[in-house]
Amino acid sequence: KNQVEQSPQSLIILEGKNCTLQCNYTVSPFSNLRWYKQDTGRGPVSLTIMTFSENTKSNGRYTATLDADTKQSSLHITASQLSDSASYICVVSQIKAAGNKLTFGGGTRVLVKP
Amino acid sequence: DTEVTQTPKHLVMGMTNKKSLKCEQHMGHRAMYWYKQKAKKPPELMFVYSYEKLSINESVPSRFSPECPNSSLLNLHLHALQPEDSALYLCASSQAKGGNRANEKLFFGSGTQLSVL
Repeated sequence: KNQVEQSPQSLIILEGKNCTLQCNYTVSPFSNLRWYKQDTGRGPVSLTIMTFSENTKSNGRYTATLDADTKQSSLHITASQLSDSASYICVVSQIKAAGNKLTFGGGTRVLVKP
Repeated sequence: DTEVTQTPKHLVMGMTNKKSLKCEQHMGHRAMYWYKQKAKKPPELMFVYSYEKLSINESVPSRFSPECPNSSLLNLHLHALQPEDSALYLCASSQAKGGNRANEKLFFGSGTQLSVL
């Protein structure tokens, strides 16, 4: 069964600190892995997209890594800010005949405290 | 313009009502999606339109009826919904051009928060 598992489910960190979120997947065949940030009651916003040949990608203070052999990814947030409080969703894509098939992880809810 | 606009932002409806959710994008994207998201859960795909044709229906009940009148608009018509249909309904779009669609970026709208009483 194609699955995407994220850990931890939730996380509280102090402003200015770093944190790392984990994503493990069993989706096959693999096309790419995406990290999204979703504020409460809003739509997800794309942070990074990585194919199997990319093992790291950065977007500002967000750095994603991918190990396609072990089927693991991480999202590292550097020098966290209050505005980083959100859910972070790992999404793995497969190519199907009818179009992209995305499998969403359950998300990690991050709360940054002053 | 890199936005997907959804209206209304909030909707409360009774189980006998008929209502519609609207989604609009002007990025020239030719794939549009409807997702349903329950609180603290990931989005679940409902429908995909590619070049104005329905390409994926994830076994969604017929009380949800999608419509793609043109390449910029996507509607979701609602009729005889149940309280368990209360959720955030997200629209998304992607370019859908070229041979390699693998790395297409999805642009999501802010969603319509639907409550069915």
